[in-house]
Amino acid sequence: DQQVKQNSPSLSVQEGRISILNCDYTNSMFDYFLWYKKYPAEGPTFLISISSIKDKNEDGRFTVFLNKSAKHLSLHIVPSQPGDSAVYFCAASAVWEYGNKLVFGAGTILRVKS
Amino acid sequence: GAGVSQSPRYKVAKRGQDVALRCDPISGHVSLFWYQQALGQGPEFLTYFQNEAQLDKSGLPSDRFFAERPEGSVSTLKIQRTQQEDSAVYLCASSLSSLRGSYTEAFFGQGTRLTVV
Repeated sequence: DQQVKQNSPSLSVQEGRISILNCDYTNSMFDYFLWYKKYPAEGPTFLISISSIKDKNEDGRFTVFLNKSAKHLSLHIVPSQPGDSAVYFCAASAVWEYGNKLVFGAGTILRVKS
Repeated sequence: GAGVSQSPRYKVAKRGQDVALRCDPISGHVSLFWYQQALGQGPEFLTYFQNEAQLDKSGLPSDRFFAERPEGSVSTLKIQRTQQEDSAVYLCASSLSSLRGSYTEAFFGQGTRLTVV
């Protein structure tokens, strides 16, 4: 039973345009959400996060939106750059559990074309 | 060190062989996690340590998988009698603290790619 789902395996965007990556979750106990970026042969690196008490968090070109009622979050990248090409993982955590373990989606491959 | 270090980076094992994967977390990090990432999938939680105590091993897929962190720093994930389905990238992550009620960022190592032939 996948608790975190990324339904788009891949996304291709033109440089300078907006990239929108989507994520859905099923577990109501999740209260912290993160996006990780992964390049080949490297470990995931933290990109941006959002607590369930917020509906938006912005960091430079990256914005994460959370819709709790729909159990949906999205990552917006504006403007997209070729260096953003990577695999993006959505992850969720229940901060009242020990250790804050992460539950990941399957990832979305983003290709930004120049 | 500057980041989480894992060794070896690549491991090829014959089916039935035992393997040991090492993780050096960031110095001073209390929490340590192991994740397994199959091809085309996201990382899946295996086990969690708070210092030397293994507080959650709910993700270990079978009793062939064993993890330890005896001195609260370096951790080893051991897989006995490896099977082809164990082929995956094994990721280690560490974080500074483990306070319930707040999230502390986890930093990941580069992973060990295990191939069982």
